[in-house]
Amino acid sequence: DQQVKQNSPSLSVQEGRISILNCDYTNSMFDYFLWYKKYPAEGPTFLISISSIKDKNEDGRFTVFLNKSAKHLSLHIVPSQPGDSAVYFCAVYSGGSNYKLTFGKGTLLTVNP
Amino acid sequence: DAGVTQSPTHLIKTRGQHVTLRCSPISGHKSVSWYQQVLGQGPQFIFQYYEKEERGRGNFPDRFSARQFPNYSSELNVNALLLGDSALYLCASSLPRSDQPQHFGDGTRLSIL
Repeated sequence: DQQVKQNSPSLSVQEGRISILNCDYTNSMFDYFLWYKKYPAEGPTFLISISSIKDKNEDGRFTVFLNKSAKHLSLHIVPSQPGDSAVYFCAVYSGGSNYKLTFGKGTLLTVNP
Repeated sequence: DAGVTQSPTHLIKTRGQHVTLRCSPISGHKSVSWYQQVLGQGPQFIFQYYEKEERGRGNFPDRFSARQFPNYSSELNVNALLLGDSALYLCASSLPRSDQPQHFGDGTRLSIL
């Protein structure tokens, strides 16, 4: 039973355009949401996060949007760069604790020059 | 500052053997978590240790065990290895606050023959 779903296994965009990665979750008890980026042969790298009390958080080219009523999370990357090509994971904490991350399956983003 | 370090980077074992994987957290982080990532999936939570105590355990059999040492480094032990244990094993460390992300090492690639 997948609690965090990334329904697009892959996404391809042109350099300079916007990349939008999506994530859906099933449990309304999830209270902190994170995005990680993973290159081959490296561990996941933390990108950006958002608390359930907010609906938007920005950090440079990266913006995360949270729609609690739809249980939907998205990551926007503007402008996209070839170095952004990686697997992106949506992950969540629940219960006011950061002891356990629950991950989606990931979306492979390819940014073409 | 050094990030999370894991050793070894690669390991090949045969069925029935046991294995010990090691992790050193980021300086100042007292919490260490272990995850298993198989191909095509997101990382799955195995254990978290904080101040040498187990805080949480994922849905893994008793063949998996872990411990944390006084310097906050950690070991993951897997006994009676099965072919299905072939995976990337990731260690993460964090500060003990619900808004703090976990930071990952580059993992140990375990192959079972």
